[in-house]
Amino acid sequence: SQTIHQWPATLVQPVGSPLSLECTVEGTSNPNLYWYRQAAGRGLQLLFYSVGIGQISSEVPQNLSASRPQDRQFILSSKKLLLSDSGFYLCAWTKTYEQYFGPGTRLTVT
Amino acid sequence: GQSLEQPSEVTAVEGAIVQINCTYQTSGFYGLSWYQQHDGGAPTFLSYNGLDGLEETGRFSSFLSRSDSYGYLLLQELQMKDSASYFCAVRDTGGFKTIFGAGTRLFVKA
Repeated sequence: SQTIHQWPATLVQPVGSPLSLECTVEGTSNPNLYWYRQAAGRGLQLLFYSVGIGQISSEVPQNLSASRPQDRQFILSSKKLLLSDSGFYLCAWTKTYEQYFGPGTRLTVT
Repeated sequence: GQSLEQPSEVTAVEGAIVQINCTYQTSGFYGLSWYQQHDGGAPTFLSYNGLDGLEETGRFSSFLSRSDSYGYLLLQELQMKDSASYFCAVRDTGGFKTIFGAGTRLFVKA
């Protein structure tokens, strides 16, 4: 069966600090991978998606970036965090029409 | 542009039936999905409609009318554990992107 991992589960970072969130998928190959952000009580905002190694599509111009160095690894990064980057970050992969989400990382920028 | 509209909140009593509507406007359309998210958790897939009509999965059913750009999620025999946020989502742009609505918060009362 397929499993998706994200870490860390929670993170508190000061404004201006860097960020690296990692997501890995097990049990499948060449998945489409996604990063979403969810503000408290809000919907899911698509940040990036990737259909293969090194292939990144950005949906929202901002201070975040993504990379896919391996088939089942997806990384979300920032060089300098903003207060507005706080939120619940979710990684997901797609199997046909179903999206499967990781447990998420709750980021608080202080 | 791309947009999905759904009610922000719905309240119902235990044992009742509730319908959550979703209308969408997207540049491409490859199906309407529904996801459930409990507080603090990640979204989980509930159902998918690629063609017009009703899909039934236990107590949950989902309907799609592509000509009306409209769908709904029907929850029957409501239970307290059904209290959660429900998101409709549309696959777009060749099926690679999934765009989510803002979510409907369902409160089930005893």
